[in-house]
Amino acid sequence: AQKITQTQPGMFVQEKEAVTLDCTYDTSDPSYGLFWYKQPSSGEMIFLIYQGSYDQQNATEGRYSLNFQKARKSANLVISASQLGDSAMYFCAMREGPVRNFNKFYFGSGTKLNVKP
Amino acid sequence: GAVVSQHPSWVICKSGTSVKIECRSLDFQATTMFWYRQFPKQSLMLMATSNEGSKATYEQGVEKDKFLINHASLTLSTLTVTSAHPEDSSFYICSARVSGGEGGNTIYFGEGSWLTVV
Repeated sequence: AQKITQTQPGMFVQEKEAVTLDCTYDTSDPSYGLFWYKQPSSGEMIFLIYQGSYDQQNATEGRYSLNFQKARKSANLVISASQLGDSAMYFCAMREGPVRNFNKFYFGSGTKLNVKP
Repeated sequence: GAVVSQHPSWVICKSGTSVKIECRSLDFQATTMFWYRQFPKQSLMLMATSNEGSKATYEQGVEKDKFLINHASLTLSTLTVTSAHPEDSSFYICSARVSGGEGGNTIYFGEGSWLTVV
């Protein structure tokens, strides 16, 4: 079974509007971490936001927020007020197990976001 | 956030030669670094976990004799693609975890290296 599922291969959003990128995960470990990374065409992976499985509140970082629905096992990324520079590939990822277990780090297939002017 | 530097960004090599890619943590010590491979329009695939002072741990299906990993110091890990073939052409990216502190919950990636074998 897929550990991380991103069902949207590509999305378009109008500049200045909000967009939600979907991510569901699968694990039976009670301790895990959820991440979103942005990958521009240059290839670098840029860390955006982190949510721990025991965190009570949804993570927020500037224009990024993570909608953590633990019972549904979803960790959607919300980008508010989209900018042209947000056009990139976005990867959802999960660290399964405690913090030291970064060798159990799974990526989704990615969502290509295009922001239209 | 923490900075991980990867070099070279682009490399073209002839088939049969070897090429080395370096991954450095610039402002922190990384006892563990990770090497990933990414094919065009696909996700990242973990190749191996690089451990300072010991042998790397390779994922299933990754040839350790072909992809040599050396974690020479707390700030440097290298990936050497030996006897490269065109099918080794790919994007290789390293990452490192910041131990503890604000960044302790995530890993930071290098800029990646595009390898083309001709």
